[in-house]
Parts: sequence; C-alpha cells; structure tokens
Amino acid sequence: DQQVKQNSPSLSVQEGRISILNCDYTNSMFDYFLWYKKYPAEGPTFLISISSIKDKNEDGRFTVFLNKSAKHLSLHIVPSQPGDSAVYFCAARPNSGNTPLVFGKGTRLSVIA
Amino acid sequence: DGGITQSPKYLFRKEGQNVTLSCEQNLNHDAMYWYRQDPGQGLRLIYYSQIVNDFQKGDIAEGYSVSREKKESFPLTVTSAQKNPTAFYLCASSIGQGLWFHGELFFGEGSRLTVL
Repeated sequence: DQQVKQNSPSLSVQEGRISILNCDYTNSMFDYFLWYKKYPAEGPTFLISISSIKDKNEDGRFTVFLNKSAKHLSLHIVPSQPGDSAVYFCAARPNSGNTPLVFGKGTRLSVIA
Repeated sequence: DGGITQSPKYLFRKEGQNVTLSCEQNLNHDAMYWYRQDPGQGLRLIYYSQIVNDFQKGDIAEGYSVSREKKESFPLTVTSAQKNPTAFYLCASSIGQGLWFHGELFFGEGSRLTVL
C-alpha cells in the first residue's frame, strides 16, 4: 500500500505561471518531507524539504506547504520556467530515524514557453 | 569533486546472465542505497546499507544481491532470477541515519540496463 501518493502523473503549465505539485501521505509517522527533481537519464537532485513541525518553507521560486491535518503537501514553483520541466518526486522520512525515505511515483511537469 | 559515480551508464546483457553495476562515492557517507526506476513506478528501493558489512533488503530485493565491503563502494548484482531486469538503476548515499539526518540523499547519474 502506497504511503506517499502523487496522484497526478503529469502537469502542463505555461511559462511564467504558477506550478503546483501535490503529494498526499497516509502515515502520520513521517517527520520530514522532501522534494526531488529529476531530468531524463540523470539522478534525482534534492530541491527543498520541510519539517513536520512547520507549515511552509521557501527557497527562491520554490515553496513547500504542509497541511498535517489533511496529510497533504504541495510544491509551488513561481514563476515557472522551461528549465523546470522534469519529473518531481515527493518523499517522506519515517521518524524512526533508521528507515529509508519513502518516495511517491512522481509527477512529470512540462513548462510550455 | 565529491560525488557518486555509477558505471556503466548503459549496459546490454543477454537474458540469463548476471550483471554487476558499480557504485562508488567519495562523500564519506555512511549509508548507501540502490533504487530502480520504471515508467510510472517511481523510485523503488532494492537494497540499502547503513554501515560497512551490513545491508538490508528494500521493497523489491528479489533477484538482486549487494555487498558492502568498503565504505565507498556498494555494487549491485542483477541475477538471472530477476524476472524483469530491464530498468534504470540509481545509486544514492546519505550521511547516515539519526536525528541529524533530514533525509537528503545524493544520487548518482544512473545506469540503464537492457536485457535482450
């Protein structure tokens, strides 16, 4: 059973507009959430993270929002750029401390010029 | 430069042959991981190792084997028992586990294995 879900396999956004990528989780025992970005034929790179005790974390054009009551987080990219076109993975860290990250299946973002 | 090196980047093998994918890191990280990526499946954990000479099975370990004889190396063998070996394989490392670790993994460039 998937503990981290990204229900949208793909998303298309026009350049300059906001991209919103969503992620839901079922396990309350996660203490950190992370977003990774992946280009084809390359390894994922870390983008941004948020602690479960916070509800927002911002880094430049990227902001992650966490709604613990809804077990939902989202990544906002503003403004979207063509170079943002990639697959974005949501991941969660179990608070046991010794268990690897749990990844979602990813959302492919296409930013159209 | 510090990082993770996977080799080879592309590999073709005949069905029934074992193949070993190399993963080396010079980040002095304690933990290393192998993931497999298939279209629409995301990243699935094959094996991970938190310390030298110790490793644990991930979600899809069947048909794979690993070793961790050195801190910097974590090779993955795809055996003939793996029914669908064609995939993109990713190696990653992290500083380890524990309270100071927020989950950030550093990934290699990946190895694409195609079984003919």
